Amino acid sequence: GAGVSQSPRYKVAKRGQDVALRCDPISGHVSLFWYQQALGQGPEFLTYFQNEAQLDKSGLPSDRFFAERPEGSVSTLKIQRTQQEDSAVYLCASSYGTAGNTIYFGEGSWLTVV
Amino acid sequence: KQEVTQIPAALSVPEGENLVLNCSFTDSAIYNLQWFRQDPGKGLTSLLLIQSSQREQTSGRLNASLDKSSGRSTLYIAASQPGDSATYLCAVTDRDNNNDMRFGAGTRLTVKP
Repeated sequence: GAGVSQSPRYKVAKRGQDVALRCDPISGHVSLFWYQQALGQGPEFLTYFQNEAQLDKSGLPSDRFFAERPEGSVSTLKIQRTQQEDSAVYLCASSYGTAGNTIYFGEGSWLTVV
Repeated sequence: KQEVTQIPAALSVPEGENLVLNCSFTDSAIYNLQWFRQDPGKGLTSLLLIQSSQREQTSGRLNASLDKSSGRSTLYIAASQPGDSATYLCAVTDRDNNNDMRFGAGTRLTVKP
């Protein structure tokens, strides 16, 4: 596709449930980023991939959060045993180079934990 | 740790006004600064990117300036239109880690017809 595609767009999960969020970056983009955006706040960095290598996962808030990009294209962000504080928009972005170059964001996956 | 602050948090203006959005950051060791636009329920769209060696960038009715030494950037919007209504986010990228991009909380702009 022409842009970064994320699915599902909306997800309601019961507390304790596991969720998986998918990101399809722009074809050929080496770098892929996951951000978490709480209501009324700016995005907060979660993790970064260069091709299939996860080079930075310092922003993942707990060991319940796990991300992968096994073939260097599609990425999945998994949240285990969801908690209410996990409710947020999860944004995926991709770039041909680093975040300091032109970066393209998807429309996000809106997660609500009830 | 880099802290990015945007003032005001919200702004409402009548159509046609020129306006200025402010962004400040605490660490001047930046690679670049970007201004993004976010419409409700949507992702972010990059508007302007200023490299650390540059002082300003212009695109149409938008002009962004950067004063790295004082840790400030402004986004100037000329002749505002209702279609400019959105949240505007400022983000700085770390000089030593080009994948470390920090965002402000944004300014929510409403332009009234």
